[in-house]
Order: sequence, then C-alpha cells, then structure tokens
Amino acid sequence: GQNIDQPTEMTATEGAIVQINCTYQTSGFNGLFWYQQHAGEAPTFLSYNVLDGLEEKGRFSSFLSRSKGYSYLLLKELQMKDSASYLCAVSDSNYQLIWGAGTKLIIKP
Amino acid sequence: GAVVSQHPSWVICKSGTSVKIECRSLDFQATTMFWYRQFPKQSLMLMATSNEGSKATYEQGVEKDKFLINHASLTLSTLTVTSAHPEDSSFYICSARFGGATETQYFGPGTRLLVL
Repeated sequence: GQNIDQPTEMTATEGAIVQINCTYQTSGFNGLFWYQQHAGEAPTFLSYNVLDGLEEKGRFSSFLSRSKGYSYLLLKELQMKDSASYLCAVSDSNYQLIWGAGTKLIIKP
Repeated sequence: GAVVSQHPSWVICKSGTSVKIECRSLDFQATTMFWYRQFPKQSLMLMATSNEGSKATYEQGVEKDKFLINHASLTLSTLTVTSAHPEDSSFYICSARFGGATETQYFGPGTRLLVL
C-alpha cells in the first residue's frame, strides 16, 4: 500500500530552527511536495523535490533522499506566523498526490 | 505561483437544497482539477479528480450522484452538492494541476459549507 508518515505535532521557539520529517512508501515517484496550511485556510505550495538533495528557498529548505524514501522541511528563524500545519505529499506513478496527515507546528514566543 | 479562485467562499443553506461551488484557474489552463473535503482538525480528503471533457473519477466512499462534478472547460470545474444535509457541512477545497515539469497542484481558497 501507499503510505506517508510525518509527526502529528511539533513545538518550537520563535527564532529557532525546526525540521519536519516525512517518510514515504509509494507506487512510483514523481516528486515530493510540501504545503503549508494555516488554520481555516487552504494549503499553499512551498516546495517541490524530485532529485536528491537540498532545495533552499529563503527561510525554508526541503531535502529529499529517494533511496531512503525520506524528506524533511527545514524552517529557519521561526516566526509566529509560521504556526501552521505542514503537509507532505508524494506524486505517484500516475501523478496522483498521496497526502500525509500533516504536522501541526506550534511556535512559542 | 498559479492562481486558483473559488466561489463562493461561504455558503449557508437549508437541508435538502443543492449548492454549486465553482473553481477557476485564472492564469493557466488546467486539464486536471481536484476536489477535496476537510473536516475540522482533520486531514485533506480527496473526493474526486476532474478531467476536462470527461467524467470525474471519484474516490472510494464518495457518492457520485450526490457530489456532481462538471469540468466543461480548461479553466472551470464545478462541484454541486445535491440535497445537502448537515453532515455535508465541511470545508471544500479545489485544486488545479499546473503542468510542466513539476505537475504542481495549486489550491483555491476553499468554500465553507454549513447546512442547517
């Protein structure tokens, strides 16, 4: 079966760094996406990885290891507005997105 | 990123009525659109995949006669909740898949449906 695992909830301090992990087992792989979803709002696209390595975009970076079925989203210089759920999703062999349940990130002052 | 709009953003209706939600891709042509539902504090649930000019593909457990999907053009898909009941109250979100190398899905802002 297809499976995406990520922690349910994480807590971090404003100004700090946090890493949200995602492991996956899917039928085929056409890339891994990270989305941010604030409470009561729709998800917004953060990043896409299809090759191994680190993709950096401002305060956010995303890493992929295809051989390990593993990705992480790294958030630096945390701000209160980063409090949200972070969704990991994998595009399978049919380009269908398989979604993780999301990680709720709580930022404390 | 690509822009997807959804209308209306809020709907309150009486039980038994039908509600239509529109999803538009504003700056690109989307051959595939997706409809999701999300209950409070729960994960996104894919309801159906909508391809332009063909019948939608529904996920297991989603009643196709209750949730009618029409994708008449490359920029518009509609979801009609027929004979809505209180248990259909939810946050409905559409997404449009932008082609190219990444096939990224971009989401509309969502529609909150409350059935009284």
